[in-house]
Amino acid sequence: DVKVTQSSRYLVKRTGEKVFLECVQDMDHENMFWYRQDPGLGLRLIYFSYDVKMKEKGDIPEGYSVSREKKERFSLILESASTNQTSMYLCATPTGLTGELFFGEGSRLTVL
Amino acid sequence: AQTVTQSQPEMSVQEAETVTLSCTYDTSESDYYLFWYKQPPSRQMILVIRQEAYKQQNATENRFSVNFQKAAKSFSLKISDSQLGDAAMYFCAYNSNYQLIWGAGTKLIIKP
Repeated sequence: DVKVTQSSRYLVKRTGEKVFLECVQDMDHENMFWYRQDPGLGLRLIYFSYDVKMKEKGDIPEGYSVSREKKERFSLILESASTNQTSMYLCATPTGLTGELFFGEGSRLTVL
Repeated sequence: AQTVTQSQPEMSVQEAETVTLSCTYDTSESDYYLFWYKQPPSRQMILVIRQEAYKQQNATENRFSVNFQKAAKSFSLKISDSQLGDAAMYFCAYNSNYQLIWGAGTKLIIKP
């Protein structure tokens, strides 16, 4: 079975802390995505990666960075967390040629 | 601009009845895929149904079916015989340039 694993389901951090959200996929796929989900706004793309060490900004990259050192792992980094980054973060990877995505379980981040 | 509009932020339906969730989109592409995703409370986002834009026949998956009107750029989801387990956020999306464009979601409440 396809698997996308996000390292933490729930995190609570303080303003200014550095936050790492990890995502691992077992599908050997080149593309991986990080989304942010907020009520009434749907899913907004933060960053995506189409290969190791390759990344592209999505619609809302400000305040975030990413790392893709290995094909299976795509990390989202908040260099200095702020309260407006309190949100649900979803990692995903395509499952085939149709463009549909398979998602991890999500990481709910609260920044105090 | 590429957009997806889900005009119903929230819908409710009596258990065992039928409900239709609406979705309109705007794209200049001629060939694409459309998707409905379901996100139960505190659970993983999963694909409900997909539709190829060049296929006139509406997709069906058990109790879930779509009404795809390509000229009108409309892609509604019909859920028949609603069950308590259908309660979730439902998101409409289409693929464009290796990414998915998302609607804001519709919260579906099932009344027992």
